[in-house]
Amino acid sequence: DGGITQSPKYLFRKEGQNVTLSCEQNLNHDAMYWYRQDPGQGLRLIYYSQIVNDFQKGDIAEGYSVSREKKESFPLTVTSAQKNPTAFYLCASSSQGSYNSPLHFGNGTRLTVT
Amino acid sequence: KQEVTQIPAALSVPEGENLVLNCSFTDSAIYNLQWFRQDPGKGLTSLLLIQSSQREQTSGRLNASLDKSSGRSTLYIAASQPGDSATYLCAVANTGGFKTIFGAGTRLFVKA
Repeated sequence: DGGITQSPKYLFRKEGQNVTLSCEQNLNHDAMYWYRQDPGQGLRLIYYSQIVNDFQKGDIAEGYSVSREKKESFPLTVTSAQKNPTAFYLCASSSQGSYNSPLHFGNGTRLTVT
Repeated sequence: KQEVTQIPAALSVPEGENLVLNCSFTDSAIYNLQWFRQDPGKGLTSLLLIQSSQREQTSGRLNASLDKSSGRSTLYIAASQPGDSATYLCAVANTGGFKTIFGAGTRLFVKA
């Protein structure tokens, strides 16, 4: 079955440590996205990538970094510069942007930083 | 700046009732509008996508409408079931299609 795999499901880190969240897709989608979800709020876009070796900042990119070395993979690093990293992180993909292609989501990674 | 608002924030209905969820957006220059379902602790599942040139889309018991001029969309759920209990999110893709803005969602509870 095609889909998006995010790992791990739960992640715990100490304040000041960088942490990398994994996102892999086998849908052959060109575009991939990272969103952050906080309780009672909508999803907010962190970074997106339209093609391999290219990515753009979303609305809340500060304190995060990404890479897109392979079409299938779009890992997100939460750095120590992110002031409030505890959140639910969702990875998504779509074909040729989201004009006529729905976003497909993984099951998320819940990050807790103490 | 595009803003998406969903009303109500939460809704509780008895099983079998027909219901409408509302979504409004501030900028009518959209590429498409999507409705998603999210179960607790899970990712989002796409329910319906309406392209900017379309007025509505239907899938089973679900019907979504789009009125760009008024900046509104509705999701109609017919004959609700307990399995429909979830959070429903509305999202609009702006020009270029790569930035999708989400509403905060409507949490639906269908009582058996």
